[in-house]
Amino acid sequence: DGGITQSPKYLFRKEGQNVTLSCEQNLNHDAMYWYRQDPGQGLRLIYYSHIVNDFQKGDIAEGYSVSREKKESFPLTVTSAQKNPTAFYLCASSILGGGDTGELFFGEGSRLTVL
Amino acid sequence: GDSVTQMEGPVTLSEEAFLTINCTYTATGYPSLFWYVQYPGEGLQLLLKATKADDKGSNKGFEATYRKETTSFHLEKGSVQVSDSAVYFCALNEIQGAQKLVFGQGTRLTINP
Repeated sequence: DGGITQSPKYLFRKEGQNVTLSCEQNLNHDAMYWYRQDPGQGLRLIYYSHIVNDFQKGDIAEGYSVSREKKESFPLTVTSAQKNPTAFYLCASSILGGGDTGELFFGEGSRLTVL
Repeated sequence: GDSVTQMEGPVTLSEEAFLTINCTYTATGYPSLFWYVQYPGEGLQLLLKATKADDKGSNKGFEATYRKETTSFHLEKGSVQVSDSAVYFCALNEIQGAQKLVFGQGTRLTINP
C-alpha cells in the first residue's frame, strides 16, 4: 500500500543527545514536510522540501536539521540545541503543481520524550 | 503572516447532536481552505476543502463553506456519531503551488453515546 512511514513511533532521549526521526514515502510525491504538534498549539512547520537536495526552513527550524538525498526519504534530526524537544512530530508529503489541491498526506507520527 | 483561529475546545456533545466548529482566517491573498481530522493515535487526514469564495466542501456528512466576506470556514455536521470523536484542524494554503499549510490550534471533539 502507498503511504508514509515514520519511525520510531516512540522515542526517549536524554538531554544533550541528537536523535533522528525517519520518514519514508512511496507515493512518488515531490514535496515533503516536517511538523511539530504540541497540545493546544496545533501544527507548526519545521522544514520542508520540494525537490531532492533542496529544503527550506519553516517557522520553527532552530535546533533541527534535515536532509533530502532521495525523493522517498526526508529524515529529521533533533539536535541538542533544541531547547524543548518533547513533542509529537508529523511528517507529510504532497504533489506539487498540477492542480494545487493543498492536500497533505501524513504519517502516523513519532512521539519524542526527553528525559 | 497568514493565520487561522479555531474555537476553543474541548467540545463534548451527545450522539445525533448538531455540530459547529468555528474557524476564521487572516490572509493577504485568496487561500484555499481545509479541514483535517486526527483520530486518536494517528496522523492527520484531509476531511474536506474549498478553493475559492462561496465553495462548499463536503465529506462524510461534514460541510464547510468558504465565506470571504466574514473570512470564515466553519465546520458543520447535522448529526454526529461516536466515531466522529477526534481532533479537527482548520488550515489554509499560504502560498499557492507551494503547499505550505498554516494550521489552527485544533479542536478536540468528544461524542458521548
